[in-house]
Amino acid sequence: SQQGEEDPQALSIQEGENATMNCSYKTSINNLQWYRQNSGRGLVHLILIRSNEREKHSGRLRVTLDTSKKSSSLLITASRAADTASYFCATDALRGGGSEKLVFGKGMKLTVNP
Amino acid sequence: GAGVSQSPSNKVTEKGKDVELRCDPISGHTALYWYRQSLGQGLEFLIYFQGNSAPDKSGLPSDRFSAERTGGSVSTLTIQRTQQEDSAVYLCASSPFLGYEQYFGPGTRLTVT
Repeated sequence: SQQGEEDPQALSIQEGENATMNCSYKTSINNLQWYRQNSGRGLVHLILIRSNEREKHSGRLRVTLDTSKKSSSLLITASRAADTASYFCATDALRGGGSEKLVFGKGMKLTVNP
Repeated sequence: GAGVSQSPSNKVTEKGKDVELRCDPISGHTALYWYRQSLGQGLEFLIYFQGNSAPDKSGLPSDRFSAERTGGSVSTLTIQRTQQEDSAVYLCASSPFLGYEQYFGPGTRLTVT
């Protein structure tokens, strides 16, 4: 069953604008991760945020995590045409005090128009 | 260093045939995962291996699907008596440990005719 749900499902913006994607999940987690997928092939890991962290940055990426609302957001600043891809959030559900397998959302398609 | 590799990159097979998909994880990664992705859909978890522990097979859709990981490294996903609904991209990933970031291979696109 899906754990993470990305919102919106599709987003189209102009180059230079910021893009914000949201992810909601259902159960307690160890960590939440964001991935990017180009051309329907392998995914690329973007960033991992742990359950005790609230915000994390990596280059033009900013991720926030609100465990009370069971939600996360991914912000891409100063977007580029090369950011066009599908973005997935994935949660590592906390079970029995240990990590579990990642459960991926359905993904969100971002289109950045030049 | 070398990333995760998968072979073949594309496979076309006739309905009812068996297929084997191969995954070579990053050296030293203890966890290995298989996913399936249908066109325009999210990732469907199939199975994962963690070290010498028994694999988590909870995502395998039927008993026609099986996987093994030999020597804690290479993994093979086998689909017996393929059906058209098995057509998808099969993705393999590895990570240093369970719960860490995953490194994905390029996938195998399986088409069952």
